[in-house]
Amino acid sequence: DAKTTQPPSMDCAEGRAANLPCNHSTISGNEYVYWYRQIHSQGPQYIIHGLKNNETNEMASLIITEDRKSSTLILPHATLRDTAVYYCIVRVKDFAGGTSYGKLTFGQGTILTVHP
Amino acid sequence: GAVVSQHPSRVICKSGTSVKIECRSLDFQATTMFWYRQFPKKSLMLMATSNEGSKATYEQGVEKDKFLINHASLTLSTLTVTSAHPEDSSFYICSAREGLRRTGAGTEAFFGQGTRLTVV
Repeated sequence: DAKTTQPPSMDCAEGRAANLPCNHSTISGNEYVYWYRQIHSQGPQYIIHGLKNNETNEMASLIITEDRKSSTLILPHATLRDTAVYYCIVRVKDFAGGTSYGKLTFGQGTILTVHP
Repeated sequence: GAVVSQHPSRVICKSGTSVKIECRSLDFQATTMFWYRQFPKKSLMLMATSNEGSKATYEQGVEKDKFLINHASLTLSTLTVTSAHPEDSSFYICSAREGLRRTGAGTEAFFGQGTRLTVV
């Protein structure tokens, strides 16, 4: 799986958009970008994933650059409960029976602190 | 999303004893589950892949005799930390995949809430 680089920490004011960047310059054509977050003392939570098109769901938006070497996770209206460690993970999309089926390799992530 | 439940959420044990942690997929069948360990202020590290009906696959450097994994059914995997020592104190997290039942959408992993193990 390709390596990712994220800033160690970021701050955001409550109610404002939080934009979390991720660099993945060695990403290959069949690798997806996944985002998870981990609130303190809890298990990680899936947020969103994408291949090359921008994606949006009820939690966040994912913007992937045209060359796919970087992406940005956007939390449109951050709340205090969004304070967490955000992990950007690049990996091949799973298929049943694949040797890495379901495996996730976590980097250090970005500590996002949302303040009042 | 699918639910993965871990039990217990916290456990304190004496050095030299064994501790069992359970991971259950509540509303789906999981042929494969994963066990991670996380030290304070560190990221998650994959320990092993738990396969239903067969032996677990351990990552390099993880002692298989110390961390016993059993995946007895499609909804339950257990991790037993044997002869625990203070250095085994950590946050243990399991995850499971729902599989490809949902076409194109079943690619995310669901995590348990984690188990905080403290060995005294």
